[in-house]
Amino acid sequence: DAGVIQSPRHEVTEMGQEVTLRCKPISGHNSLFWYRQTMMRGLELLIYFNNNVPIDDSGMPEDRFSAKMPNASFSTLKIQPSEPRDSAVYFCASSKIRQDPYNEQFFGPGTRLTVL
Amino acid sequence: GQSLEQPSEVTAVEGAIVQINCTYQTSGFYGLSWYQQHDGGAPTFLSYNALDGLEETGRFSSFLSRSDSYGYLLLQELQMKDSASYFCAVRPRRDAGNNRKLIWGLGTSLAVNP
Repeated sequence: DAGVIQSPRHEVTEMGQEVTLRCKPISGHNSLFWYRQTMMRGLELLIYFNNNVPIDDSGMPEDRFSAKMPNASFSTLKIQPSEPRDSAVYFCASSKIRQDPYNEQFFGPGTRLTVL
Repeated sequence: GQSLEQPSEVTAVEGAIVQINCTYQTSGFYGLSWYQQHDGGAPTFLSYNALDGLEETGRFSSFLSRSDSYGYLLLQELQMKDSASYFCAVRPRRDAGNNRKLIWGLGTSLAVNP
């Protein structure tokens, strides 16, 4: 079975540009998570969805970040306008709401974003 | 507040045993998990302790003591490929229902030397 799919794998853009990251969760999973990872702050949860509905977006840094999940098989994380401090690896993860083991999440390969 | 504390770095030699500790300050949670992440890779799930005690999976074991607010990951017969970062994570009990949010430690970088 395919795991979590993310695209692009690498993105280099200039400050002020719009960036869109994409994620396809594992089929049958109904929870989806967006994380950001940096050396300084570690792994941060930005937002997560249950059954396509945003449940907790308290980790979204500011209004420049937005996330959508129009259906069970696709989600996007958008940054507009991007800034150099947004440079990080962005991970998407998915799981079942009734996951066993309970805390297991399945991560995609990540998108390495560099904002110049 | 809620936080998980881990050592930032641990070094060991091949064939040895290493223990990575995780102490937490949270009012309640659903179990303790461990994840492994190799450089340039994604976190992958290793283990989950729902109850106090030791869980063993091959060379890896994980332990939880709620009364001591403490857990650890034990890696035995270390191999070079075990060089990676290891994260502990909990799901806070304060959020009811189907909350899936995990609180993560900052990770422990394990270096296994020949």
